[in-house]
Amino acid sequence: DAGITQSPRYKITETGRQVTLMCHQTWSHSYMFWYRQDLGHGLRLIYYSAAADITDKGEVPDGYVVSRSKTENFPLTLESATRSQTSVYFCASSESLRDRYYNSPLHFGNGTRLTVT
Amino acid sequence: GENVEQHPSTLSVQEGDSAVIKCTYSDSASNYFPWYKQELGKRPQLIIDIRSNVGEKKDQRIAVTLNKTAKHFSLHITETQPEDSAVYFCAAPREGNNRLAFGKGNQVVVIP
Repeated sequence: DAGITQSPRYKITETGRQVTLMCHQTWSHSYMFWYRQDLGHGLRLIYYSAAADITDKGEVPDGYVVSRSKTENFPLTLESATRSQTSVYFCASSESLRDRYYNSPLHFGNGTRLTVT
Repeated sequence: GENVEQHPSTLSVQEGDSAVIKCTYSDSASNYFPWYKQELGKRPQLIIDIRSNVGEKKDQRIAVTLNKTAKHFSLHITETQPEDSAVYFCAAPREGNNRLAFGKGNQVVVIP
């Protein structure tokens, strides 16, 4: 899905540094999500956003900060990177929900492979 | 919250045979059940989904069946091909929350 792009594709950083992962979508989807993928854990939700200026925590939010000033962008910041944050990070988006239960397909970006040394 | 489990964690099949992956969920009110395929080094992509008012859905060689009473849904791949080798993730909605809970994934290996 070319409509959602992540940058950078690969990033190596040192422990304690701040790093920001970018996510941009062109569909004007209301919802955006950040997941991390680690072997044995599948996809775990870090943060999500229902609309501009509305964000909420997922399963594993500690050590991460998000913002969503514009509908199309949803950056993820690691304020002080730790080795445990070495992972593959996926951004995703979806259309507005039709009812209180999630029922819209997620569209994933290509991912960012982050290594913290 | 929703708890989603997938079995088996790894499945090896001979090319041409069928593969079945089962996913169980805990929230009886969940109404949407997608399957995502992730090839090595690539992003997860939706391959099929089903809503709670339907018992089965097919798309060429893949199908999903839903058993609401037992709270499980399964992915069926017929006439498997090498390009079906991937990790498959199931998901279900979390109660009262606008997000999906994912299983840990099933590695499917198609042996030529």
